Amino acid sequence: DVKVTQSSRYLVKRTGEKVFLECVQDMDHENMFWYRQDPGLGLRLIYFSYDVKMKEKGDIPEGYSVSREKKERFSLILESASTNQTSMYLCASSLGVGELFFGEGSRLTVL
Amino acid sequence: AQSVTQPDIHITVSEGASLELRCNYSYGATPYLFWYVQSPGQGLQLLLKYFSGDTLVQGIKGFEAEFKRSQSSFNLRKPSVHWSDAAEYFCAVGARLSGANNLFFGTGTRLTVIP
Repeated sequence: DVKVTQSSRYLVKRTGEKVFLECVQDMDHENMFWYRQDPGLGLRLIYFSYDVKMKEKGDIPEGYSVSREKKERFSLILESASTNQTSMYLCASSLGVGELFFGEGSRLTVL
Repeated sequence: AQSVTQPDIHITVSEGASLELRCNYSYGATPYLFWYVQSPGQGLQLLLKYFSGDTLVQGIKGFEAEFKRSQSSFNLRKPSVHWSDAAEYFCAVGARLSGANNLFFGTGTRLTVIP
């Protein structure tokens, strides 16, 4: 069965801390995505990657970076967490046109 | 630029009643259209998708959606809602973006089902 796994379901961090959110997919998909989900705003794309070591900015990349060293793993990094980065973060992968497969999400609270 | 509008933030229906969730899109070419569902505390799951062909598409859990090009709409329907359908529903339009195929999502419609 298709699976996208996000390593942490819930995290609480302090302002200024460095935060790593990990995502692993077992479907050999080329494309991987990080979205941020906030009430009333839907899903907004932070970064995506269409190949190993390749990354592209999405709609809201400020304050974030990503890493994709292996095809199955896509990491989101908050270099210095701020309270306005408190949110639900969703990782997804896809093979080509169309269906994205999502992880269960990582809810981050920054105090 | 691509965009998706879901005009209803929250809808409440009685169990057994019919349901229609509205979605309007803006896209310069032939769109790829999707409906996703998100149950509380979960990621998103694909309900159905439209790429081409028959404008009425069937999905999982008894849902269907109709693509109407003239109205730039892709409304989701279900003839009889079950309590387990309570969730948030997202419409999305697909677009090619720098070598990847990305989706642009609407802001979602939260569905409450009352007994």
